[in-house]
Amino acid sequence: DQQVKQNSPSLSVQEGRISILNCDYTNSMFDYFLWYKKYPAEGPTFLISISSIKDKNEDGRFTVFLNKSAKHLSLHIVPSQPGDSAVYFCAARGSQGNLIFGKGTKLSVKP
Amino acid sequence: AAGVIQSPRHLIKEKRETATLKCYPIPRHDTVYWYQQGPGQDPQFLISFYEKMQSDKGSIPDRFSAQQFSDYHSELNMSSLELGDSALYFCASSFGGTDTGELFFGEGSRLTVL
Repeated sequence: DQQVKQNSPSLSVQEGRISILNCDYTNSMFDYFLWYKKYPAEGPTFLISISSIKDKNEDGRFTVFLNKSAKHLSLHIVPSQPGDSAVYFCAARGSQGNLIFGKGTKLSVKP
Repeated sequence: AAGVIQSPRHLIKEKRETATLKCYPIPRHDTVYWYQQGPGQDPQFLISFYEKMQSDKGSIPDRFSAQQFSDYHSELNMSSLELGDSALYFCASSFGGTDTGELFFGEGSRLTVL
């Protein structure tokens, strides 16, 4: 059973607009949530994380929101740029430090 | 800055052969994780090591084994290869004392089993 779910396999937005990527999880014991960005033939690159005791973390154009009651988090990218086009993975940290990934959302930002 | 180094980057094997993948973590990182990503799939956690001891085990088949050496590099050994083992294998490292949850990933080793 998928513990971390990204229900949208793809998302297309116009350059300059906001991109919102969503993620749901099932295990309320996860203590950290992370977003990774992945280009083809490269390893995942860390983007931003949030502790389970917070509800928002912001880093430049990237903001992650966490709604613990709904077991939902989202990544907002504002403004979106063509270079943001990649696959975005949501991940939750397990008890031994390993990450449990969602299936990813492919973001396409059109000029 | 030094990143996680994986070798080989590409490997082609036949069914029932064996393969070994190597991972060199970022200097001073003491924890190594192995992930398998099949075509169109999310990365699946296989196994991890902390200070040369296995710390967690995920969906690693019995045909696979791994270890972490005294210099903290790790090797993933795969035997009796099957077609379904064709995937991208990622290694990631972290420093156990870091509490941000971030893992640093290598660029992956692509294994093709014919």
